[in-house]
Amino acid sequence: GQNIDQPTEMTATEGAIVQINCTYQTSGFNGLFWYQQHAGEAPTFLSYNVLDGLEEKGRFSSFLSRSKGYSYLLLKELQMKDSASYLCAVNSNSGNTPLVFGKGTRLSVIA
Amino acid sequence: DGGITQSPKYLFRKEGQNVTLSCEQNLNHDAMYWYRQDPGQGLRLIYYSQIVNDFQKGDIAEGYSVSREKKESFPLTVTSAQKNPTAFYLCASSIAARGGKNEQFFGPGTRLTVL
Repeated sequence: GQNIDQPTEMTATEGAIVQINCTYQTSGFNGLFWYQQHAGEAPTFLSYNVLDGLEEKGRFSSFLSRSKGYSYLLLKELQMKDSASYLCAVNSNSGNTPLVFGKGTRLSVIA
Repeated sequence: DGGITQSPKYLFRKEGQNVTLSCEQNLNHDAMYWYRQDPGQGLRLIYYSQIVNDFQKGDIAEGYSVSREKKESFPLTVTSAQKNPTAFYLCASSIAARGGKNEQFFGPGTRLTVL
């Protein structure tokens, strides 16, 4: 089967760093995505990893270890607007096939 | 501007009625998807279509139907057979070369409430 696990909720302080973990067990692997979703809105793309290692994009970084079936999203210099759900999704096939989504991690940033 | 539109944003339906949710994209994407999102459940796949005039069931297709007569359009009908239709519905599209990145772009969503 396909399974993606991530924590349900996290809380962090404004200005701090937070790491959101994601572990996956899928029938195949062709890339891992992180999306951000504010309440009542559409998910928006944050990052993509297909090879092992760290991808950095401004305040956001994402890491992948394919051998461990593990990824994390790192958010630095947290701002109040970062309060949102963060979705981990795996592309288990090549081509235009559906992504397998985790249930999302709801992050609350507090002052 | 290129993008995905869904209408309406809020929809109310009486129990026992069918209702159709619209999804249109002008990104020239081949594939389109419908997801349902409930609190604490993440995104669950209802139907997807990789090409015009073809579509496949997802994990929770029962009580739903779709059509793909045009590349730009992928409407979803929620039928009276769907026992718990109140949810947030998201449409997405993607284009991916074989073996390439399959980023999905999402519409703004339709919140359906059954009264």
